[in-house]
Amino acid sequence: DGGITQSPKYLFRKEGQNVTLSCEQNLNHDAMYWYRQDPGQGLRLIYYSQIVNDFQKGDIAEGYSVSREKKESFPLTVTSAQKNPTAFYLCASTRQGGSSNQPQHFGDGTRLSIL
Amino acid sequence: AQSVTQLGSHVSVSEGALVLLRCNYSSSVPPYLFWYVQYPNQGLQLLLKYTTGATLVKGINGFEAEFKKSETSFHLTKPSAHMSDAAEYFCAVRDSSASKIIFGSGTRLSIRP
Repeated sequence: DGGITQSPKYLFRKEGQNVTLSCEQNLNHDAMYWYRQDPGQGLRLIYYSQIVNDFQKGDIAEGYSVSREKKESFPLTVTSAQKNPTAFYLCASTRQGGSSNQPQHFGDGTRLSIL
Repeated sequence: AQSVTQLGSHVSVSEGALVLLRCNYSSSVPPYLFWYVQYPNQGLQLLLKYTTGATLVKGINGFEAEFKKSETSFHLTKPSAHMSDAAEYFCAVRDSSASKIIFGSGTRLSIRP
């Protein structure tokens, strides 16, 4: 079955350390997204990419970086510049082109904590 | 710019009672609207979507939503709540540029035995 795979499910970071969250999809979707979710809050967009080798900042991009070298992969790096990285991170993808009624499909998330 | 407002961050109903989760949207173009459900420590799962055509949309797990243009609403309902419906529910609208989806802040649904 097609889907989105996020790994690891749980991740721990030491102070001053960069960590990379993996997101892979086999849905042949063009667009991919990273969201941050804090307890009791909605989803906030970090970065998104509509095509390979191109990406745009979302609402809270500071302290994060991404790459989109392959259609199926959109890794997120949480850098040491992100002072409050503890959160639940969700990756999503969607088919682009044609009508804009396509929903986003989500992975199961990565929970990042600071040691 | 598009936006969604979910009224009530927490809703509690008894098992077997009607579920009503409220969502109002703001959109300068005909909206594409979505409802998602999130169970603890999981990603979001699509419940239903409205694009064009019939204003009453049926989704999975017995949920449905009615698009009311005059009220700019897209409320989610289920006639009879089940314990397994306890989760977080998000209303969302497709951005006018079609490149993003904008999510509401979510409503946590609790079911009382």
